[in-house]
Amino acid sequence: QKEVEQNSGPLSVPEGAIASLNCTYSDRGSQSFFWYRQYSGKSPELIMFIYSNGDKEDGRFTAQLNKASQYVSLLIRDSQPSDSATYLCAALNRDDKIIFGKGTRLHILP
Amino acid sequence: EPEVTQTPSHQVTQMGQEVILRCVPISNHLYFYWYRQILGQKVEFLVSFYNNEISEKSEIFDDQFSVERPDGSNFTLKIRSTKLEDSAMYFCASSDGTSDEAFFGQGTRLTVV
Repeated sequence: QKEVEQNSGPLSVPEGAIASLNCTYSDRGSQSFFWYRQYSGKSPELIMFIYSNGDKEDGRFTAQLNKASQYVSLLIRDSQPSDSATYLCAALNRDDKIIFGKGTRLHILP
Repeated sequence: EPEVTQTPSHQVTQMGQEVILRCVPISNHLYFYWYRQILGQKVEFLVSFYNNEISEKSEIFDDQFSVERPDGSNFTLKIRSTKLEDSAMYFCASSDGTSDEAFFGQGTRLTVV
């Protein structure tokens, strides 16, 4: 079973601090990785995708990929209360299926 | 901004009935997907569709399920003889094929009673 693993949280971070979300995946054939944000009762919203080792920055968000360690992370700088949500890590595996982790609940403390 | 739209937003059906969930993908997209999310659980892949045929499906997507692209814009998921455990949010997604990004619709909440 090809899995994507995340700590379910909740992860509590003070407003203005950096939130760090982590994810590991089991399928070494996975090529692309995604971070989605999901508010309660809403659909997943794509924040970032990454397919090369290293860092990719977009505004307050930085995705990091380490294929050797099969590890993906998302950093959120200057955390805002509106960032409070569940963050889903997903991997596009060799079967062209996007497999989701269970998500990490992030709570930004005002 | 283009978006994936799904109808209805909420569907209540009796056990054993058939339901059709509808999706209008982003107009220039070529790949279409259905996912489901049972309350409190993770998003699960059901099926992908390309060039008018199923390209991949999960073990969840058994004979009870079918997909169709009846015209140039709609993409439907049919669930025959619904069961209580089919109650979930069903998400449609699409991608353009030039990148792997998949964009999700707002979902249809299916409640089987």
